[in-house]
Amino acid sequence: NAGVMQNPRHLVRRRGQEARLRCSPMKGHSHVYWYRQLPEEGLKFMVYLQKENIIDESGMPKERFSAEFPKEGPSILRIQQVVRGDSAAYFCASSADRGNTIYFGEGSWLTVV
Amino acid sequence: QKEVEQDPGPLSVPEGAIVSLNCTYSNSAFQYFMWYRQYSRKGPELLMYTYSSGNKEDGRFTAQVDKSSKYISLFIRDSQPSDSATYLCAMSASAGANSKLTFGKGITLSVRP
Repeated sequence: NAGVMQNPRHLVRRRGQEARLRCSPMKGHSHVYWYRQLPEEGLKFMVYLQKENIIDESGMPKERFSAEFPKEGPSILRIQQVVRGDSAAYFCASSADRGNTIYFGEGSWLTVV
Repeated sequence: QKEVEQDPGPLSVPEGAIVSLNCTYSNSAFQYFMWYRQYSRKGPELLMYTYSSGNKEDGRFTAQVDKSSKYISLFIRDSQPSDSATYLCAMSASAGANSKLTFGKGITLSVRP
């Protein structure tokens, strides 16, 4: 899973600030997924994107959260006006067009103080 | 009832023991079953991938799926201290790039030397 690159690995934000998490999928992968892991909870699906398209955002909170995967550059998960409850590990994953396997990155740990 | 239930743990065993990890699920649409291993502050790493009912063996690891009982298991033979990690079961209704994974909460395994 080292092929999926996430940054920053650790991010501290004060309440009300914005957090931007970046993800570069594995080489040759055009499908990107974001999952969130809250303390003592399993991973929860947030959003599935292909280049320039959001395919499934059924797991995204309705407010303050957005995701994009532009034609050029990494996928971005953006959290506006962060609150303490947003503190979690955010994992990006990617898969190939015909692949059944989803590969995860090392995660971005967000702490809201 | 949660879609995927996993024994909460933690679980501590002596080196060399056989470990049995289990998950139950309620969604009969799930057909693809996975086990991930996650070390502390790292991303999930795919261990086993199984389609439908049956057994799959890979080295010291065996995955079992019983769709009639909605029950999956991961067995680890000759457990090693390096197996100490959190184990997550995951499942999906579809394969390929559009497969949204539903995870259990994970169980933390400690193998004592």
